[in-house]
Amino acid sequence: DTAVSQTPKYLVTQMGNDKSIKCEQNLGHDTMYWYKQDSKKFLKIMFSYNNKELIINETVPNRFSPKSPDKAHLNLHINSLELGDSAVYFCASSQGAATQYFGPGTRLTVL
Amino acid sequence: GENVEQHPSTLSVQEGDSAVIKCTYSDSASNYFPWYKQELGKRPQLIIDIRSNVGEKKDQRIAVTLNKTAKHFSLHITETQPEDSAVYFCAASKMGGGADGLTFGKGTHLIIQP
Repeated sequence: DTAVSQTPKYLVTQMGNDKSIKCEQNLGHDTMYWYKQDSKKFLKIMFSYNNKELIINETVPNRFSPKSPDKAHLNLHINSLELGDSAVYFCASSQGAATQYFGPGTRLTVL
Repeated sequence: GENVEQHPSTLSVQEGDSAVIKCTYSDSASNYFPWYKQELGKRPQLIIDIRSNVGEKKDQRIAVTLNKTAKHFSLHITETQPEDSAVYFCAASKMGGGADGLTFGKGTHLIIQP
């Protein structure tokens, strides 16, 4: 059974488009996160949700909007995609502030 | 905010030798220090972690040491094997209350030479 899953695995789109990435966890965790891994492999926290409440919103452009319909899901919607948004986006989950488990990642390519 | 520095960026060792990766952190309130291994095209996977009330933790060939005073922690891999080749990330966060994300170091590409 997949603990943290993401869809799609690959996403190729044109500049200016709007796209969404979905994340689901079946671990019963109450906290979910989005991380961005750039071309140099640097991993950076974008958002954190605890019980559907936004906890962290690092300096991420307003074009990125997380949505958490319930504790098991955290989606990421991106408006007006730019070339610099190309990266691998990882979802993660944890119980409170404990160990974080990562999803398989979504490779976003903006052309 | 927290800042984590990681060295070296690339480490090449002979199979069977030991590898050491070092990290420093800036926020003295950080109290949780995990290490993740990421193979090419895969997700980061936790290999070991340590909390600030512990100075050392070992799991088979992997060990982590923490020096709170100096604000640095290290990953030690003994008897390295080809499957240890990967990128290793250290991270730091504050546990307890809230849901802090992890602040990662920039990663160490570990290459095991046969």
